[in-house]
Amino acid sequence: GAGVSQSPRYKVAKRGQDVALRCDPISGHVSLFWYQQALGQGPEFLTYFQNEAQLDKSGLPSDRFFAERPEGSVSTLKIQRTQQEDSAVYLCASSFHRTSVNEQFFGPGTRLTVL
Amino acid sequence: QQPVQSPQAVILREGEDAVINCSSSKALYSVHWYRQKHGEAPVFLMILLKGGEQKGHDKISASFNEKKQQSSLYLTASQLSYSGTYFCGTSSGSARQLTFGSGTQLTVLP
Repeated sequence: GAGVSQSPRYKVAKRGQDVALRCDPISGHVSLFWYQQALGQGPEFLTYFQNEAQLDKSGLPSDRFFAERPEGSVSTLKIQRTQQEDSAVYLCASSFHRTSVNEQFFGPGTRLTVL
Repeated sequence: QQPVQSPQAVILREGEDAVINCSSSKALYSVHWYRQKHGEAPVFLMILLKGGEQKGHDKISASFNEKKQQSSLYLTASQLSYSGTYFCGTSSGSARQLTFGSGTQLTVLP
């Protein structure tokens, strides 16, 4: 596709359920980022991949959050035992280059609501 | 630490100009500007790199003062389509992830 796609666009989960959020980056993009955006706030960094390697996961708020990108393309963010404070929009972004700072292209996000 | 954006909100008439500022307490390597409309993905506008390199949009300009760790985004002759929330994202050193400000809500009225 032409841009970054994410699925599902909306997810409602009961507290305690596990969820999996998918990101399809732009083809050929080496770098992939996950951000969490609370209502009325800017995106906050969660984790970063360069190809299949997870180089930085310092932004993951707890060990309930897990991300993977096994083949260096599609990525999945998994949240176990969801809590109400996990409710947010989860944004995925990809970038072509690995050796220099370049623009990140964002997907439309997955809006997660935990009841 | 999160960069500080100002103003928090601005309302313009079509054709007027606006300046949005972004200030950081950390030494910056790059500043990225995005516009986000409600319920949509942030859209890339401009990137400014330490050393003066810029990549971005033809109709939008920006400045980056490395000494003051500040950046400003200049929107001239605003159009209705400019409405949205503008975010600056900053990176320091070798970090690839961006740290975003809390946004400036811009409304352009006819």
